[in-house]
Amino acid sequence: KQEVTQIPAALSVPEGENLVLNCSFTDSAIYNLQWFRQDPGKGLTSLLLIQSSQREQTSGRLNASLDKSSGRSTLYIAASQPGDSATYLCAASTSGTYKYIFGTGTRLKVLA
Amino acid sequence: GAVVSQHPSWVICKSGTSVKIECRSLDFQATTMFWYRQFPKQSLMLMATSNEGSKATYEQGVEKDKFLINHASLTLSTLTVTSAHPEDSSFYICSARDPLRESAKNIQYFGAGTRLSVL
Repeated sequence: KQEVTQIPAALSVPEGENLVLNCSFTDSAIYNLQWFRQDPGKGLTSLLLIQSSQREQTSGRLNASLDKSSGRSTLYIAASQPGDSATYLCAASTSGTYKYIFGTGTRLKVLA
Repeated sequence: GAVVSQHPSWVICKSGTSVKIECRSLDFQATTMFWYRQFPKQSLMLMATSNEGSKATYEQGVEKDKFLINHASLTLSTLTVTSAHPEDSSFYICSARDPLRESAKNIQYFGAGTRLSVL
């Protein structure tokens, strides 16, 4: 059974810092791994999607990597801004069922 | 492309009433849709997989008689919370797959969510 864990659960950093969010999954047989952002009381905003055959994806200040062999993905945020404050969720798409198993989330607060 | 619309975005109802939430794929046909639930400060938990033209598949611990799912067309799935009680208050999110898009058939596109408050 796929389990997805995110570390840390919460993170507070000063503006301008580069930071890394971690996502671990137990079953390496995944179709893809997706990172989302969720603002309080809101839905999901897709940030980056990494297909199982890829190792990383980049969008602006965001870079996500995928290492299936170790069951890990990281989301790198460069030059963090107060507007980046949100909860970040990773989700692994389980091979064979297309189900998404979500991680526990990292609540990020970037201080001005 | 690949837009999923969810309606309503917010609903308040009295205990004992039933509430219907709609999930529509606007520009693609979705043979499979998924329903998730999120309690405050928790992550999303998959409730069920909705298959067009057949019965939904529920995750362990989810009452199928409580959460009725109907996927009668290729662009619409509905979740009905029957006889809602305060403990059903949650954030419900749907997602859909576009199986005809070869490059994206294993990607899910998410709706904006529905916040249900049962008084």
